[in-house]
Amino acid sequence: DGGITQSPKYLFRKEGQNVTLSCEQNLNHDAMYWYRQDPGQGLRLIYYSQIVNDFQKGDIAEGYSVSREKKESFPLTVTSAQKNPTAFYLCASSPRQGSSETQYFGPGTRLLVL
Amino acid sequence: AQSVTQLGSHVSVSEGALVLLRCNYSSSVPPYLFWYVQYPNQGLQLLLKYTSAATLVKGINGFEAEFKKSETSFHLTKPSAHMSDAAEYFCAVTGGGSNYKLTFGKGTLLTVNP
Repeated sequence: DGGITQSPKYLFRKEGQNVTLSCEQNLNHDAMYWYRQDPGQGLRLIYYSQIVNDFQKGDIAEGYSVSREKKESFPLTVTSAQKNPTAFYLCASSPRQGSSETQYFGPGTRLLVL
Repeated sequence: AQSVTQLGSHVSVSEGALVLLRCNYSSSVPPYLFWYVQYPNQGLQLLLKYTSAATLVKGINGFEAEFKKSETSFHLTKPSAHMSDAAEYFCAVTGGGSNYKLTFGKGTLLTVNP
């Protein structure tokens, strides 16, 4: 089955710690995205990538970093600079980047601060 | 820049009743519009999308939406609610052309009462 996998489902972060959220897709999609979801806030774009080895900041990139070394993978690191990391993080992909393209979402990772 | 307003953060209906979830958009260019559904602690699933082919769009699970340019609206409807429709629903817009950023509304939580 083709799809997007995110791991882990739950992640706990200690103060001052960097943590990495995994996102893998086997849909052969070119574009990948990371969103943050807070209750009552909708989804906000953190980073996106159109092709391998290229990515751009979204609306709330501060305190986050990404890499795109492989087409299938787009990991997100939440750094210690992100002072309010508790949220639900969603990864998405689309066949290519375009305004009519459907974005397909993974199951999400919930990040909690200890 | 585009934006989305979902009227009503919480809508409650009885099983078998009409479902109407409201979405108004703002865009300086002809938009593409999407409705997604999210079940608790899961990712988003596409219900339907408008890409200018037809103003009445039919989606999965018996949902449909009508694009009304004069009202800048894209309301989601279902004639008869089912208990399994209880979820959060998000309306989203892209600006068309090279403006491919997907902007989400804050969501509407649908409760279905027996």
